Amino acid sequence: ETGVTQSPTHLIKTRGQQVTLRCSSQSGHNTVSWYQQALGQGPQFIFQYYREEENGRGNFPPRFSGLQFPNYSSELNVNALELDDSALYLCASSRAGRLTEAFFGQGTRLTVV
Amino acid sequence: AQTVTQSQPEMSVQEAETVTLSCTYDTSESNYYLFWYKQPPSRQMILVIRQEAYKQQNATENRFSVNFQKAAKSFSLKISDSQLGDTAMYFCAFMKHLQETSGSRLTFGEGTQLTVNP
Repeated sequence: ETGVTQSPTHLIKTRGQQVTLRCSSQSGHNTVSWYQQALGQGPQFIFQYYREEENGRGNFPPRFSGLQFPNYSSELNVNALELDDSALYLCASSRAGRLTEAFFGQGTRLTVV
Repeated sequence: AQTVTQSQPEMSVQEAETVTLSCTYDTSESNYYLFWYKQPPSRQMILVIRQEAYKQQNATENRFSVNFQKAAKSFSLKISDSQLGDTAMYFCAFMKHLQETSGSRLTFGEGTQLTVNP
């Protein structure tokens, strides 16, 4: 087990609602990346946070946003939920300069109905 | 943009035997990293093995080894002496080499479900 913790583990939301997912990074890690993994597919990069700023973004609309806090934990916010947002959301933490040594959390399973 | 392709959606192997999972990728980068990750039913992505593109020698980690063919853009994973605990989804992934932190990201393939049978 890694030191990366995600909450909640499961979540059911209604289309149009907003959701916040949380990630606590491993001790000493200052970079957090978020990925979306649809059922039966590989994870897709959403964005990365470093020093509390977005530091790279994948092909996701602006209704996907995030935050990083001074303790390096992070939030992923999704507004105006759509059915296609149903997926496993994974966060990965790493040290700056050591992005090849990322540790993943166990993910949040989001279901939009 | 980089792409990663895993052409084997499912594979099975008998316990104690050897299995090879295939991965090809496409990139114009010359310096990059390749990875194999394992995702068991617990959902947590676990790093199995990592290869740096500038290194000629194939990476090995205990029962896991890779065959990295840079010119062919191929990166296969060999699992020797397969164990029941190896049953999982395996993902091949690519990362560009960047200085410090610059939004470097993993690009994953679609995955191969490996089942180890007793």
